[in-house]
Amino acid sequence: GDSVTQMEGPVTLSEEAFLTINCTYTATGYPSLFWYVQYPGEGLQLLLKATKADDKGSNKGFEATYRKETTSFHLEKGSVQVSDSAVYFCALKVNTGNQFYFGTGTSLTVIP
Amino acid sequence: DSGVTQTPKHLITATGQRVTLRCSPRSGDLSVYWYQQSLDQGLQFLIQYYNGEERAKGNILERFSAQQFPDLHSELNLSSLELGDSALYFCASSVLMRGSYNEQFFGPGTRLTVL
Repeated sequence: GDSVTQMEGPVTLSEEAFLTINCTYTATGYPSLFWYVQYPGEGLQLLLKATKADDKGSNKGFEATYRKETTSFHLEKGSVQVSDSAVYFCALKVNTGNQFYFGTGTSLTVIP
Repeated sequence: DSGVTQTPKHLITATGQRVTLRCSPRSGDLSVYWYQQSLDQGLQFLIQYYNGEERAKGNILERFSAQQFPDLHSELNLSSLELGDSALYFCASSVLMRGSYNEQFFGPGTRLTVL
């Protein structure tokens, strides 16, 4: 079935460090891929998306590239800030279906 | 602000009780999704409605039910509550049912505590 496997946390980084959060997926069709972010005490917000292979989603300095050959959608940021501390969720939606599949979430803490 | 509203924000109740969580989607969104977020199980998809009809079912217990009304708001009913039902319940809405890009907009959640 369709699923997302996400790097387990928690992740703790110093400010200005490089961030990678791994995400791989299994899908029966051609999924759209998403990264959502959840700040403390809030609901999830869409961070970035990619709808087809080789697309790169980017927002707020975060990037992720849809790699069909490795079924991956890793999240990266070159220089993290304290304000990036949050939980990050990878998600997919197959075009022929209605359901979103979320990873378990990766908690990121950035220390000054 | 995502435009999705959920009430109440917090709910404290006892085991065996029944509660109703309410969600109003963004204006124009026809799809509503319900999720349960607990510490040990992450974000679990429960159920989806599209324009009043159930369209997808996830890990929803038989004690739980939902519906979407003609004005598109949705309610999630949780009955015979158990301690393990304590969690954050999120509602999300999206514009389209199918298509290559269906961003979901999440509400702020309802925190349910079962004592």
